Amino acid sequence: GQQVMQIPQYQHVQEGEDFTTYCNSSTTLSNIQWYKQRPGGHPVFLIQLVKSGEVKKQKRLTFQFGEAKKNSSLHITATQTTDVGTYFCAGPKNTGNQFYFGTGTSLTVIP
Amino acid sequence: DAGVTQSPTHLIKTRGQQVTLRCSPKSGHDTVSWYQQALGQGPQFIFQYYEEEERQRGNFPDRFSGHQFPNYSSELNVNALLLGDSALYLCASSLVFSGELFFGEGSRLTVL
Repeated sequence: GQQVMQIPQYQHVQEGEDFTTYCNSSTTLSNIQWYKQRPGGHPVFLIQLVKSGEVKKQKRLTFQFGEAKKNSSLHITATQTTDVGTYFCAGPKNTGNQFYFGTGTSLTVIP
Repeated sequence: DAGVTQSPTHLIKTRGQQVTLRCSPKSGHDTVSWYQQALGQGPQFIFQYYEEEERQRGNFPDRFSGHQFPNYSSELNVNALLLGDSALYLCASSLVFSGELFFGEGSRLTVL
């Protein structure tokens, strides 16, 4: 079945350092979404990428969708303590909007 | 504008019991999806309701069932609870043709 894997599982960075998490799917995705879940909280939608090779930026966050639409990345520049949380990618099954969530990357930012 | 609301927030059950969790979607949303999130894991899709019907289902046994009401609110029922059903149950609402999911705070179920 379809699987969405993320690496790394955990990442500790000093405040001000950059951070990247990678998402890989076993199948081609029509689109990919990214969510952030703060400790003790619920997932919050960040962005959706649809086009092959698409790159989108939100302030210090840069999202990229691979050319083959099977992988994606989230890069955070100059991390802040407010960036702490788990970042999930999510891809839809076939053409529906049933989303498979990745395994997540837990980010810890050391002040 | 209220977001997605879920109840109860926490509950404790024993093995073999049954539980019902409730969800009110974000105003204007017509689709409700339910996810199970075990500790340290990503959300796992249970099923999705649209127009009061189960439209899609993940890899969960028939012990997991649901319902959507005319006002778009939804319930998740789990019968014959197992220890492994202990998890955070998340409800997410969306528009049927829009992928963005709005999650509620979740219902944390502990099965003893």
